[in-house]
Amino acid sequence: AQRVTQPEKLLSVFKGAPVELKCNYSYSGSPELFWYVQYSRQRLQLLLRHISRESIKGFTADLNKGETSFHLKKPFAQEEDSAMYYCALKMGAQKLVFGQGTRLTINP
Amino acid sequence: GAGVSQSPSNKVTEKGKDVELRCDPISGHTALYWYRQRLGQGLEFLIYFQGNSAPDKSGLPSDRFSAERTGESVSTLTIQRTQQEDSAVYLCASSPSSGQGGEPQHFGDGTRLSIL
Repeated sequence: AQRVTQPEKLLSVFKGAPVELKCNYSYSGSPELFWYVQYSRQRLQLLLRHISRESIKGFTADLNKGETSFHLKKPFAQEEDSAMYYCALKMGAQKLVFGQGTRLTINP
Repeated sequence: GAGVSQSPSNKVTEKGKDVELRCDPISGHTALYWYRQRLGQGLEFLIYFQGNSAPDKSGLPSDRFSAERTGESVSTLTIQRTQQEDSAVYLCASSPSSGQGGEPQHFGDGTRLSIL
C-alpha cells in the first residue's frame, strides 16, 4: 500500500543548530515527492519538490530510492522555520498522499 | 492573482444536518482536489476533478459525501446527514493540470467543520 511516514510528530531544536525532518515512503511506482509547510495562521504551501532539486529558504531534500526516504534538511535553523511540515507523495497524475506531519519548533 | 478561496471558513452544525462547502480554484486551473484533515492527523484525499469530471472518487468515505464541479471552476462538497466523525478541516487545492511534471497543488485556507 502507498504510504508516507513521518516518524516524528514533534521536533525541537535550537536556533543555529542543524535540523532534519524525516520522511519515508512506500510506493511501487516512480515517486514524486514534495514537502509542504504550514506557518502559523497561514495556508498550506509548497516548500520544495524533489524533481526541482532546489534549495528553498535554506532547506534541501534528496530522494533516496534505496532507502525510500526524502528527508528535509537545513544546516542552520532559524526561528522563522517554526511550522508544521508535511511530506507528500504524488501518486500517478492525481492525488497526494500526505504524512501526518512534523511540528518543528526552533528555540531561541 | 487570487489564490484558492474556500467558504465558509467555519461551519458549526447539528448532527444530521446537510452541509455544503465551496471551493473557488485559481483561475485557469483545470485540476481540483478535496482533502480532509482530522485533528492531529495528516491530510486524507477525498476526490479529484479534471475539468468537470471526477476520475477519482476513491477517497470519499461514504455515500453521504458527494462533490460536483461546474464550468471548470467552482466546486462544492456536500455532506448529507452529518455525523460527529465528519468534524474536520476540509481543504481544497487546485493545479494547472493533473499531468506529469510535478506541478504543485495550491491550497485554500480550508473550511473548519464542527458537528455538534
